[in-house]
Amino acid sequence: DGGITQSPKYLFRKEGQNVTLSCEQNLNHDAMYWYRQDPGQGLRLIYYSQIVNDFQKGDIAEGYSVSREKKESFPLTVTSAQKNPTAFYLCASGTGRVDGYTFGSGTRLTVV
Amino acid sequence: SQQGEEDPQALSIQEGENATMNCSYKTSINNLQWYRQNSGRGLVHLILIRSNEREKHSGRLRVTLDTSKKSSSLLITASRAADTASYFCATDETGFQKLVFGTGTRLLVSP
Repeated sequence: DGGITQSPKYLFRKEGQNVTLSCEQNLNHDAMYWYRQDPGQGLRLIYYSQIVNDFQKGDIAEGYSVSREKKESFPLTVTSAQKNPTAFYLCASGTGRVDGYTFGSGTRLTVV
Repeated sequence: SQQGEEDPQALSIQEGENATMNCSYKTSINNLQWYRQNSGRGLVHLILIRSNEREKHSGRLRVTLDTSKKSSSLLITASRAADTASYFCATDETGFQKLVFGTGTRLLVSP
């Protein structure tokens, strides 16, 4: 079955540590996205990529980095520069022009 | 880009009743979409309405779009307890290649 897999489901980060969230899709989508969701809030765009080896900053890119070396993969690194990283992170793929986005099940990141 | 606003923020109804939630946005759009999110899960795409469409149906869902007022509504008819979730609108803004999500409506359907 086609879909998006995010891992891990839960992640704990110590102060000053970088962590990487995985996002893999087998839907053959060119475009992929990372969103952040805070409790009771909507989704805010962190980074997006329309094609391999290219990506753009979203509305809240500071403290985050991404890479897009393969069509299937779009990992997100939460760096130590992100001062408030505790949130629910959602990865999505699709164009949004015909069928909407397909979302992964999310990674909940907590600072300990 | 600015998030859309959804209204109400929370809605509590009984099974069998209809649920209506509204979305307002600020920019020119190619389409508007609605998504559902169960607690702690990813979002699921429900329906997409293009800027040249005024109304669209899918099962128990009815979506309207008024581009002159920059607003949309989602109607869920004959609600079930399983409809309990948060519902988000998202706009595909003209000139951009990304969706902008609203703040969401939390729907609680009681048996």
